[in-house]
Parts: sequence; structure tokens; C-alpha cells
Amino acid sequence: EDQVTQSPEALRLQEGESSSLNCSYTVSGLRGLFWYRQDPGKGPEFLFTLYSAGEEKEKERLKATLTKKESFLHITAPKPEDSATYLCAVQDLSGNTGKLIFGQGTTLQVKP
Amino acid sequence: EAQVTQNPRYLITVTGKKLTVTCSQNMNHEYMSWYRQDPGLGLRQIYYSMNVEVTDKGDVPEGYKVSRKEKRNFPLILESPSPNQTSLYFCASRAPAQPQHFGDGTRLSIL
Repeated sequence: EDQVTQSPEALRLQEGESSSLNCSYTVSGLRGLFWYRQDPGKGPEFLFTLYSAGEEKEKERLKATLTKKESFLHITAPKPEDSATYLCAVQDLSGNTGKLIFGQGTTLQVKP
Repeated sequence: EAQVTQNPRYLITVTGKKLTVTCSQNMNHEYMSWYRQDPGLGLRQIYYSMNVEVTDKGDVPEGYKVSRKEKRNFPLILESPSPNQTSLYFCASRAPAQPQHFGDGTRLSIL
């Protein structure tokens, strides 16, 4: 059964303190791994898609990496505006082509 | 502006009173989905549609209905809502081989 586990559940950082969020996944065949950002009262906002082990994507202070079993979202020198819940999701090669299996998210708080 | 629009954003209702949550997208996307988000359970797919008149069940379809008569619209219907359907609902759409775009959610409370 496809499964996605994110850790930690919550993370508090000081502004400028770099860290990483983890997403471990179990899937029979990976079509894609997705990172989303969710702000309170809003829907998930797309950040990155990763398709194969070794792939990396960057956007401003965020960098996502992928191995065969997990993905990391590295946050370099975070700012308070980076505070949000970060969701990881996988799409299986089998099954319906629209479904994403989501982890429960990591809630990041960055203090000034 | 490209967007997925859900209505209503908030609704408090009572058990058994039929309700419909509308979802509309202006990106001409083929694929549309409904998810619910619950604390400790994350986002789970309820139903999805690959095109007009093509719909199928997701992981938690019990108690819900959908229809896709037009490409842009994908309403979620609760024919006889129950308290266990109290949740935060998201509609999403995407083009082939593209990531999903989500609406801003509908918070349903069923008393």
C-alpha cells in the first residue's frame, strides 16, 4: 500500500537557521513526488515535482531532493514568510492517474 | 488569473439536509479531483474525473456523489450529510503530466 510519512510534525526555527524536512515514501512505482506549501485558510500551493532518484529542484530558499525512499526539502536561511505547512505527496504509476497520496505535513514556524 | 473556485467557503448545516459544494476551474483542465483534509489523516481523495462524463471513486467515496457535465465544473454532492463528513474540502484540477492546482477550500460543519 502506498504510504507517505513526513517528519518532523512541527519545526520551529529562528530566522536564518537552515534545516531540512523529511518525506519518506513507499510506492510500488513512482510517477512523481510533489511538494506543496499550505498557508492557513488556503489550499495547497505547488512548489516542486521530482521524478527520479538524484533529481534536485530549487526555488529561492527552498531545495528539494529525491532518493529511492525519501525526499528532503532543505530550507536555507529561512525568513518568517516561509512559515507554513509543507506537504509531500506521491503519485503511483498504477491506479488512477489523478490521485496523490499525501503525508500529514510539517508545520514550520520561523521566528524573527 | 488561473484559478480553482469553490463555493461556499464555509457552511454549517444539519444532518440529512442535502448540500452541494461547487467547484469551477478556468484553465481548461481535463482532470479534476475532490479531497478532504482531516487532522491526523492528511488529504484523502474522495472522487476524481478524467474528463466530461468520466468519474471514478477515490479512497473515501462513501456518502458523496459527483458529476462532470461540463469540463470546467465538478460539484460535490452530499445527499444526506452526517457529522462524520465535517471536514475541510478541496477541489483540484490539472492538465496531463502537470501538477494539481487546488482551490482555497470549503469548511463544512454538519451538526
